[in-house]
Amino acid sequence: GENVEQHPSTLSVQEGDSAVIKCTYSDSASNYFPWYKQELGKGPQLIIDIRSNVGEKKDQRIAVTLNKTAKHFSLHITETQPEDSAVYFCAASPSTGGYNKLIFGAGTRLAVHP
Amino acid sequence: EAQVTQNPRYLITVTGKKLTVTCSQNMNHEYMSWYRQDPGLGLRQIYYSMNVEVTDKGDVPEGYKVSRKEKRNFPLILESPSPNQTSLYFCASSLSRGSTTYGYTFGSGTRLTVV
Repeated sequence: GENVEQHPSTLSVQEGDSAVIKCTYSDSASNYFPWYKQELGKGPQLIIDIRSNVGEKKDQRIAVTLNKTAKHFSLHITETQPEDSAVYFCAASPSTGGYNKLIFGAGTRLAVHP
Repeated sequence: EAQVTQNPRYLITVTGKKLTVTCSQNMNHEYMSWYRQDPGLGLRQIYYSMNVEVTDKGDVPEGYKVSRKEKRNFPLILESPSPNQTSLYFCASSLSRGSTTYGYTFGSGTRLTVV
């Protein structure tokens, strides 16, 4: 079945720097890759997603890139701010296990220091 | 406001005492799912439902039950809780259109402790 690995598990940056989180997936038929942000005491919130027919997608300071050949995708956050501090999860939709299923990575705790 | 509502937010119970965690969504979503979140393991799917009266096991279903009698509600039932079910639980919902996967809307979570 699908396996999603996420790196790094923790990331510390200075305010204004860029942050990159990487995920790899095992199911070559996966076609949907969302990213979620989880703030302390809250549920994960969808921040950006990409489908397999697109290589890159941007939304203001965040972007996601997808390399289907290598089976990896990355989240890029530019000009980081303290409010970007949170746990970030990547996910991939496997080709088995039912429609709408998502397999999540283990998460990356991002700390942005003023 | 479009949202997924879970109750309770916090729950401490004793081994073997049946409990139910409720989940309700107001977005008319067909798909609903329960996940548990444990440190270092991310989010793992317990059960999911494609629509009313249609439920199926996820990756870690042992010790849990669900039902989907109404489109908006998807309760999680622990008939005989054990300490290894101590975890943070999330309910999620999304659209369901053929084979296309859509992003989930998550509830705020239920932190369950079984002693």
